[in-house]
Amino acid sequence: DGGITQSPKYLFRKEGQNVTLSCEQNLNHDAMYWYRQDPGQGLRLIYYSQIVNDFQKGDIAEGYSVSREKKESFPLTVTSAQKNPTAFYLCASSTSGQGNEQFFGPGTRLTVL
Amino acid sequence: AQSVTQPDIHITVSEGASLELRCNYSYGATPYLFWYVQSPGQGLQLLLKYFSGDTLVQGIKGFEAEFKRSQSSFNLRKPSVHWSDAAEYFCAVGGTNAGKSTFGDGTTLTVKP
Repeated sequence: DGGITQSPKYLFRKEGQNVTLSCEQNLNHDAMYWYRQDPGQGLRLIYYSQIVNDFQKGDIAEGYSVSREKKESFPLTVTSAQKNPTAFYLCASSTSGQGNEQFFGPGTRLTVL
Repeated sequence: AQSVTQPDIHITVSEGASLELRCNYSYGATPYLFWYVQSPGQGLQLLLKYFSGDTLVQGIKGFEAEFKRSQSSFNLRKPSVHWSDAAEYFCAVGGTNAGKSTFGDGTTLTVKP
C-alpha cells in the first residue's frame, strides 16, 4: 500500500540533544513538507521541498534542519537551538503544482525532558 | 498572503443532529480549498476539496462543503452526525507556491450520545 511513514511514534530526548525524525513516502510525490502542531495553534510549516536536493524554509524554520537526498525521504532534525521543541510533528507529501492535496503521515510526538 | 479563519474552536452536537463547521479564507484569486479531519494522535485525512466548477462539493463519510465567493467562505456540513465523527477538523487554502497550503487553527467536534 502507498503511504507515508513516520518513525518513531513517540520520542523522548534530553534538553540540549539534537534529534532526527524520519519521514518516508512511496507515493512517488515530488513535494514533501514538515509541520509542527501545538494545541490550539493548528499546523505551522517548518520546511518544505519541491524536488530532490532542494528545500525552503517555512514559517518557523529556526532551530530545525532538513535534507532531501532521495525523493522518498525527508528527515527533520530538531536541534538544540530550538527553544521549545516538545510538540507533535507531521510530515506530508503531494504531487507538484498548484493546489494539490497533501497526504499526511501518522506523526511523531517529541518530548524533550 | 493567503489566510484561513475557523471561528469556532470547539463545537458540541448531539448524535444524529446536523453539523456545520465554518471556514473563511483570504486569497487573491480563485482559491483551492480543502477540509481535512484528524483523529487524536493521528495524521490528517482529506475529506473534500474545491478547485473550480460546482460550488457544492461532496466528500467522504457523508460530508459536503459549499464554496461562497461573495462571503469568502467554505463551510463544511453533514446532515446527521455519528459518534465516530468526533475529531478535529481543519480548513486549508492552497497553493500558488509548490502546493503549499495554509491551515486554519482547527475546530474540535464533540458528539454527545
